[in-house]
Amino acid sequence: EDKVVQSPLSLVVHEGDTVTLNCSYEVTNFRSLLWYKQEKKAPTFLFMLTSSGIEKKSGRLSSILDKKELFSILNITATQTGDSAVYLCAVHSGSARQLTFGSGTQLTVLP
Amino acid sequence: GAGVSQSPSNKVTEKGKDVELRCDPISGHTALYWYRQRLGQGLEFLIYFQGNSAPDKSGLPSDRFSAERTGESVSTLTIQRTQQEDSAVYLCASSASTAAGANVLTFGAGSRLTVL
Repeated sequence: EDKVVQSPLSLVVHEGDTVTLNCSYEVTNFRSLLWYKQEKKAPTFLFMLTSSGIEKKSGRLSSILDKKELFSILNITATQTGDSAVYLCAVHSGSARQLTFGSGTQLTVLP
Repeated sequence: GAGVSQSPSNKVTEKGKDVELRCDPISGHTALYWYRQRLGQGLEFLIYFQGNSAPDKSGLPSDRFSAERTGESVSTLTIQRTQQEDSAVYLCASSASTAAGANVLTFGAGSRLTVL
């Protein structure tokens, strides 16, 4: 059974801090890893990673995948209160036609 | 449409009643997914539709849950004889069928179900 584990479960920081969110996985026939941001209800897409060592970057957010050690990290620099959300990691494997999601990391950024 | 639409956004029902939740995917997206999210938890896969293929129902938690999809358009998730543990947000997502975009799901805002 495919498994995705995120850590920490929750994190409280102050504006301007840098945070690193972790996602480890155990799947059969890995295809891709995705990060989503969920503020209220609908998760919104951030990154899709398929290759090791290639950083994806969007503004203050960046992510990288390590397919040998089976994990990914999501970095957020100079955090803002608007970054407060649940960050979800999901893995698509060849053995399943759906994404397996982790339980998410609740990030709270205080002013 | 421009995004994935779900209705109702909120539904309160009594234990034992049946409910229907609707999802209208992005036009042209052949894949459609239903997920359940209980309070404070991650997304739990329920069912997946891809074009005219047989749906993947492996995530449906019991025979009280069923879903249908008409062609490549609207899908309905039905929960019969609702129980309190069915209370959750039900999220629908769709994705394109191209190799590049096949894994990127676009989610709707969800339907929050409360069973009293």
